[in-house]
Amino acid sequence: AQKVTQAQTEISVVEKEDVTLDCVYETRDTTYYLFWYKQPPSGELVFLIRRNSFDEQNEISGRYSWNFQKSTSSFNFTITASQVVDSAVYFCAQRGSNYQLIWGAGTKLIIKP
Amino acid sequence: EAGVAQSPRYKIIEKRQSVAFWCNPISGHATLYWYQQILGQGPKLLIQFQNNGVVDDSQLPKDRFSAERLKGVDSTLKIQPAKLEDSAVYLCASSFAGRLNTEAFFGQGTRLTVV
Repeated sequence: AQKVTQAQTEISVVEKEDVTLDCVYETRDTTYYLFWYKQPPSGELVFLIRRNSFDEQNEISGRYSWNFQKSTSSFNFTITASQVVDSAVYFCAQRGSNYQLIWGAGTKLIIKP
Repeated sequence: EAGVAQSPRYKIIEKRQSVAFWCNPISGHATLYWYQQILGQGPKLLIQFQNNGVVDDSQLPKDRFSAERLKGVDSTLKIQPAKLEDSAVYLCASSFAGRLNTEAFFGQGTRLTVV
């Protein structure tokens, strides 16, 4: 069965600190896709990144970076030099062969000025 | 490009009343999802359409919830009668059909409060 675990319920850091959000997934599929979404206080889920199971190359986009490791079934998200605008709930999700998106419970990130 | 449109943004009703939500997906997206998100939790899939056919409605409480997607574009989600535990944000999302490697795009959601 597919499952996504975000063990960190809430993280609070001071602005400009680096922060890593953990995501651990479970699947029996050999081909699957992983996603990160951001949900700011306005409520809309904003797509951040998609990763294919056959591509373990890490990705960097500005202050955001993602570390995908199949050996540990993890797809962690790091924000470098955090800013107050990064405050949001972040969700990790997985899609497998049944086309369903399986969601983690989310990590609430609080960036203090 | 226009995003996923939802209305209304907010709705307050009394228990046992009925309510309907509307969603217009991104043009060209054949797959449409309705999610329920209770405060502090991740989204829970209620129903997934591909064009106007239902792909998955296993978690839809069919005794009170119904959804339709006539003509394979707009969709409505209805609750009748509403219960207190239906208070949540109802999110609509859409994506290209038949592709695993595609992300879903979400609307702003409808925040429902049942009193």
